[in-house]
Order: sequence, then structure tokens, then C-alpha cells
Amino acid sequence: AQKVTQAQTEISVVEKEDVTLDCVYETRDTTYYLFWYKQPPSGELVFLIRRNSFDEQNEISGRYSWNFQKSTSSFNFTITASQVVDSAVYFCALSEATFKDGNNRKLIWGLGTSLAVNP
Amino acid sequence: GAGVSQSPSNKVTEKGKDVELRCDPISGHTALYWYRQRLGQGLEFLIYFQGNSAPDKSGLPSDRFSAERTGESVSTLTIQRTQQEDSAVYLCASSLVVGGSGETQYFGPGTRLLVL
Repeated sequence: AQKVTQAQTEISVVEKEDVTLDCVYETRDTTYYLFWYKQPPSGELVFLIRRNSFDEQNEISGRYSWNFQKSTSSFNFTITASQVVDSAVYFCALSEATFKDGNNRKLIWGLGTSLAVNP
Repeated sequence: GAGVSQSPSNKVTEKGKDVELRCDPISGHTALYWYRQRLGQGLEFLIYFQGNSAPDKSGLPSDRFSAERTGESVSTLTIQRTQQEDSAVYLCASSLVVGGSGETQYFGPGTRLLVL
């Protein structure tokens, strides 16, 4: 069965600190996708990144970076020089990448990490 | 272009009443998903539409829940005889199908349902 674990329920940092959000996943599929979404206080889920299982290259986008390691089944997310606007709940999610079930890509979600960045 | 829209944004109903939630996906997105987010819990998958058919309904919690999609566009999620445990935010997402970044799901703002 597929499972996503975000062990950190809440994290509180002071502005300009770096912070890493952990994500560990379980799947028997050989091909899959991993995602991070942000849910600010307004409630709407905002897509951040999608990573294919065959692509272990790390990615950087501005102050955001992602470290994908298949050997440890982890897909961690780091925010460098955090800002108050980064305060949100961050979700890690997993989907299959096969062609069964009409290309079903339903997402299996972690419970989220609530990040508070204080001025 | 326009994103995913959902209506109503908030719904308060009495236990036992039926409710209907609506989702308008991004134009051209043939895949549509419904999820539920209960307070303090993660998101739960409810149902997946490919076009107008639903190959995966495995997440619907009971036979009080049903959904349909027409014209490969609008979808409605209906909850009959609502119970207090149905109180949650119901989220809709849509995506293109097959290949590359087109399979990323984009979410609507959700419908916040409160059953009294």
C-alpha cells in the first residue's frame, strides 16, 4: 500500500532561518510521482513541485529546494532564508505513474507540516 | 486562464438534509478528482473522473455519497442525509491526462461544509 509520512506536525522558525520539511513515502510501484503543495491560511492548495521517480536530480527554485533520495524513500523540502509569507501548511503527496485504471493519478497525502515563520 | 472554481464556498446544513457541491474544472482538463479534508486530518481521495466516467470511486465513504460529471466539464458531488461527520472541506482538482507536467492536479478553493 502507498503511504506518505510527514513526521513534523508543526515547525516554528524566526524569519531568515533555513527550514527543512521532511517527507518519507512508501510504495511498491517502480514508477511514481511525488508532489509538494502549499496551503496558506486562505485555504487554497498551491502546487509547488512534481518529481518523477526516475529523476533523482535535486531541484532549486528561488529560495525553495527539494532533495529526492530513492535509497531512503525521502523527498525533503528546504526553504532558505524563510519569510513570514512562507507561513502555511505544506503537504507532501504521492501518486502512481502507471496507465491502469484510466490513468488514475489520485494523490495519497501526508498529514502536512504547519510552518510558522515569525518576524 | 481561469482556474478551478467551486460553489458554494460555504454551506451550512442540518443533519439529514441533502447537499450538492459543484466543481468547474480548468477548461480542457479531462481528469477531475474530489478530495475531502477534515479538520486536523490529511486529504482523503473520494472519486476520480476521466471524461464523464468514474473509473475509481473507491474513496466514497458510503452510499450516501455520489458524484457525476457531464459534458467532460462540471462535476457535482451529492451527499444525501448528511451527518455531522460529513463536516469538512471538499476540494476539487483537475488535470490534463497522460504525460509530463500535464498530469499535475490544480485545486479549487474548496467548499466548506458544516452539518449541524
